Amino acid sequence: GDSVTQMEGPVTLSEEAFLTINCTYTATGYPSLFWYVQYPGEGLQLLLKATKADDKGSNKGFEATYRKETTSFHLEKGSVQVSDSAVYFCALPIQGAQKLVFGQGTRLTINP
Amino acid sequence: DTAVSQTPKYLVTQMGNDKSIKCEQNLGHDTMYWYKQDSKKFLKIMFSYNNKELIINETVPNRFSPKSPDKAHLNLHINSLELGDSAVYFCASSHQGTNTGELFFGEGSRLTVL
Repeated sequence: GDSVTQMEGPVTLSEEAFLTINCTYTATGYPSLFWYVQYPGEGLQLLLKATKADDKGSNKGFEATYRKETTSFHLEKGSVQVSDSAVYFCALPIQGAQKLVFGQGTRLTINP
Repeated sequence: DTAVSQTPKYLVTQMGNDKSIKCEQNLGHDTMYWYKQDSKKFLKIMFSYNNKELIINETVPNRFSPKSPDKAHLNLHINSLELGDSAVYFCASSHQGTNTGELFFGEGSRLTVL
């Protein structure tokens, strides 16, 4: 069935480092793809999305490109900040089932 | 003004008890969800309602019973609580199912069963 797989965490970086969190998907057809972020003690919130192949989603300095050939949607940021410390989830909707499935989450910690 | 609000935020109870978690959204959305997040942060959908009708019921023990009195509310009642029910439960809502993929989440209700 349709699913997403994220790189295992946790990931620890220093401030201003380059970030990549890998996400690959398995799906029939070409669903939209999403990254959600969960800050400590909060619910998830949508970070960015891409609705078709080669689309790039971007928000708050984060970017992810929908790559059909590698079935990937990796999250990147050029220079991370301490405030980016959170858990990041890749997600895709299951067509016809009206539900969103999430990857296992990647905990990111940024040290000053 | 909180968009999706859940109560209580924390709940500590004994095994065998019955408890409820309430959720309300003021976004005018027609679809609401309950997700369970375990200690490793893994998120799994439990239920989904669209305009008060149950549309998703994943493999969840029937000790869990959702109720949607109107499309702005989705409550979760749990009977005979077990240790394994300890988790954070998130309510979420969206417009027109997940076609747009944007879910709005509450802050979560952390349930601890002793």
